[in-house]
Amino acid sequence: SQTIHQWPATLVQPVGSPLSLECTVEGTSNPNLYWYRQAAGRGLQLLFYSVGIGQISSEVPQNLSASRPQDRQFILSSKKLLLSDSGFYLCAKEGEVYGYTFGSGTRLTVV
Amino acid sequence: KNQVEQSPQSLIILEGKNCTLQCNYTVSPFSNLRWYKQDTGRGPVSLTIMTFSENTKSNGRYTATLDADTKQSSLHITASQLSDSASYICVVLPCGGDSNYQLIWGAGTKLIIKP
Repeated sequence: SQTIHQWPATLVQPVGSPLSLECTVEGTSNPNLYWYRQAAGRGLQLLFYSVGIGQISSEVPQNLSASRPQDRQFILSSKKLLLSDSGFYLCAKEGEVYGYTFGSGTRLTVV
Repeated sequence: KNQVEQSPQSLIILEGKNCTLQCNYTVSPFSNLRWYKQDTGRGPVSLTIMTFSENTKSNGRYTATLDADTKQSSLHITASQLSDSASYICVVLPCGGDSNYQLIWGAGTKLIIKP
């Protein structure tokens, strides 16, 4: 999407290493932002959502954390990656009239 | 438990043919039902959004239908093109859900169009 920027597109990390995925958005201020993970053959799993700076809600207890240091910046982190953290990570912005806009995603492989 | 189940899991059709993808849900009551298209390695893109009171909605060659009585939705693709190859995901927002964090996602149907 042109209004959501995610990087990197692919990432291979060893078990036990830290992680930082960044998502920045354009457009309206104070958007609701989301981090999802998608495993092969499974539906999207909501990890975190944020309704504003410093406000993070976690849907699933896990090895990951999220932060929103600025209005248009949403970061997904881990101190020590597990094999089970592998997956396709998507950042999303809540749009007008029930819509989502997704970023292009990050394919994370933990080895 | 609120669930969204899609069928078939995967489908292969020839270019130019029509196809219909199914979505059964147990979410009740619900606010709206959405269909997304997800190209491989990309984020999902919205195709249609229907409220509980709508029966059908079209977006070009894509037509979604909704039967709230049987709790079923379908996505019909007409005159398929190679670019239609993707995963199609059905998503339901439960009633009372005022934000997208309450969306319930199906696992998707992987559609492959062959020339």
